[in-house]
Amino acid sequence: RKEVEQDPGPFNVPEGATVAFNCTYSNSASQSFFWYRQDCRKEPKLLMSVYSSGNEDGRFTAQLNRASQYISLLIRDSKLSDSATYLCVVERGSGYSTLTFGKGTMLLVSP
Amino acid sequence: GAGVSQSPSNKVTEKGKDVELRCDPISGHTALYWYRQSLGQGLEFLIYFQGNSAPDKSGLPSDRFSAERTGGSVSTLTIQRTQQEDSAVYLCASSFFLSNEQFFGPGTRLTVL
Repeated sequence: RKEVEQDPGPFNVPEGATVAFNCTYSNSASQSFFWYRQDCRKEPKLLMSVYSSGNEDGRFTAQLNRASQYISLLIRDSKLSDSATYLCVVERGSGYSTLTFGKGTMLLVSP
Repeated sequence: GAGVSQSPSNKVTEKGKDVELRCDPISGHTALYWYRQSLGQGLEFLIYFQGNSAPDKSGLPSDRFSAERTGGSVSTLTIQRTQQEDSAVYLCASSFFLSNEQFFGPGTRLTVL
């Protein structure tokens, strides 16, 4: 099993749609989980952290299922500006806050 | 304030040459990370610095790769005897100690001919 696995997409959705991305991870020792966003030929930027209780930030909702080692990201009311690659990120469990990145899921939002 | 900066932004070199990539972290960030991203691939962790020491260098792919950090600030990643498979974007990130958020620089795009 890959350390962090994501569907590469692309997910093509119209503006206003709701879209969900999933991610699985293999390291049960991981304690922290994140979604980063990466625009084309740009550096990754933190979108949100992911907590077991689930957390919401505006149109974005993230969920963590530790038992299944599964992370999700839900985007409601998609905007054109949401078009990007979404990286599922898992702390490596080394105790140093080093991160393992998934290869990312590409989202394309069209008018 | 200024973000993470990296130089050069682009580097083209010939196979077998040595290259040095530089990272200037955000002021006050004690943690510094190097990653690389090959075309169509995810970010690959290379090395982590806390201050000037590197407690985790498990991601360095071979002994041709080395990195140092001086004064708890600037870091240099050195690749000796470059190979074509070293071609990638090398990203540096910094954070406060044990912070959840890493701030990335714009990267150095390395092309080995």
